[in-house]
Amino acid sequence: DIQMTQSPSAMSASVGDRVTITCRASQGISNYLAWFQQKPGKVPKRLISAASSLQSGVPSRFSGSGSGTEFTLTISSLQPEDFATYYCLQHNGYPFTFGPGTKVDIK
Amino acid sequence: EVQLVESGGGLVQPGRSLRLSCTASGFTFGDYAMSWVRQAPGKGLEWVGFIRDKAHGGTTEYAASVKDRFTFSRDDSKSVAYLQMNSLKTEDTAVYYCSRHYLVLPDGFDIWGQGTVVTVSP
Repeated sequence: DIQMTQSPSAMSASVGDRVTITCRASQGISNYLAWFQQKPGKVPKRLISAASSLQSGVPSRFSGSGSGTEFTLTISSLQPEDFATYYCLQHNGYPFTFGPGTKVDIK
Repeated sequence: EVQLVESGGGLVQPGRSLRLSCTASGFTFGDYAMSWVRQAPGKGLEWVGFIRDKAHGGTTEYAASVKDRFTFSRDDSKSVAYLQMNSLKTEDTAVYYCSRHYLVLPDGFDIWGQGTVVTVSP
């Protein structure tokens, strides 16, 4: 099975901060990597597909990069509505696996 | 409007069965694989498994935690995916979501249902 690790697991940040979340796969997954944002009690929302393609309607302050085994999600200037938990998902090998999540809260 | 709607959740005793439905609208359901994802209270997202579209055989893949207990099926004429859950355990308690995706493109998981709550308790 492909294991996904995320770092950090949690972070406190301020509005306007640049935030970077890293996801690492235990083996190569090409670019079959998506990023999701989830707020408490809400449905996960896809932000990024294919490692770096921004979902339509998602603010351009979100970006994704990487290929193979290391991927990053960057929020260039954190906004109040961005406080949430972020998950990566690899859908290259079975079973598909989510990262454990990164909770971003207010400093 | 493109959407997925789950139904069928509820309270069930351990060892019993439950069937969830995921009804699609606004897109060609048969073109997509359908995944099920669950989230236990206070926990992260867990991929449960998926059923391929008919063009790719309509076969299934399961997470180890549900293999041999859960079964996926689909009725493309009704645009519905099903999750049959047997021999339920307390650890199956979660919100269950369905989502669409492709197999041969690094795309998908753009549309999710609102989720349906399954509670397994004596």
